[in-house]
Amino acid sequence: EVQLVESGGGFVQPGSSLKVSCVASGFTFSSFVIHWFRQAPENGIEWLAYINTDSSSALYAETVKGRFTISRDNAKHTVDMQLSSLRSEDTAMYFCARETGGVGFAYWGQGTLVTVSS
Amino acid sequence: DIVMTQGALPNPVPSGQSASITCQSSKSLLHRNGKTYLNWYLQRPGQSPQFLIYWMSTRASGVSDRFSGSGSGTDFTLKISSVEAEDVGIYYCQQFLEYPLTFGSGTKLEIK
Repeated sequence: EVQLVESGGGFVQPGSSLKVSCVASGFTFSSFVIHWFRQAPENGIEWLAYINTDSSSALYAETVKGRFTISRDNAKHTVDMQLSSLRSEDTAMYFCARETGGVGFAYWGQGTLVTVSS
Repeated sequence: DIVMTQGALPNPVPSGQSASITCQSSKSLLHRNGKTYLNWYLQRPGQSPQFLIYWMSTRASGVSDRFSGSGSGTDFTLKISSVEAEDVGIYYCQQFLEYPLTFGSGTKLEIK
């Protein structure tokens, strides 16, 4: 069974940093591109970043470029995203998802909540 | 960025009736390969999004045939025939033609 499990969320102050992680199981992890999304309370879904299978390519949304960094460890089946210079508007549930061949996202984690507040 | 705009539903929808959700994109999602890169998802309360439709009209694995997608390059419709209680949630369209990937703001479905 394909599973994606996020962790690392928490309550942090503006300007601080946090790392959220996504651990995968049930599939050949090194063969799939992984993306991060977020969803602010009562809001829609925002794409944040992706990392390709061998970490040679990553892309970010403009809203997080330069502040967030995505990375993966194929040996540990994990994708991390380092969140820096956090702002109140970064408060959201953060989800990782497995891309299905440039088509869509059939598998999502349950999310990890990041709250940025003073 | 491609802007995705979704329409509202006349909630609540009576159980057993059909419901159609609309979505418009600010740019044609028709790729030169002939496929239209428009996806639909359902997010039930408290859950992660569920993949429903890709390439505008192809149902994802395990999705009920009560769900069907149609449209053109910029105007799309998700039809749910005979809505059931388990269909309650927020429906999102999403384009996968180019980055940044973008979603519509969501359409809420309530059942009577």
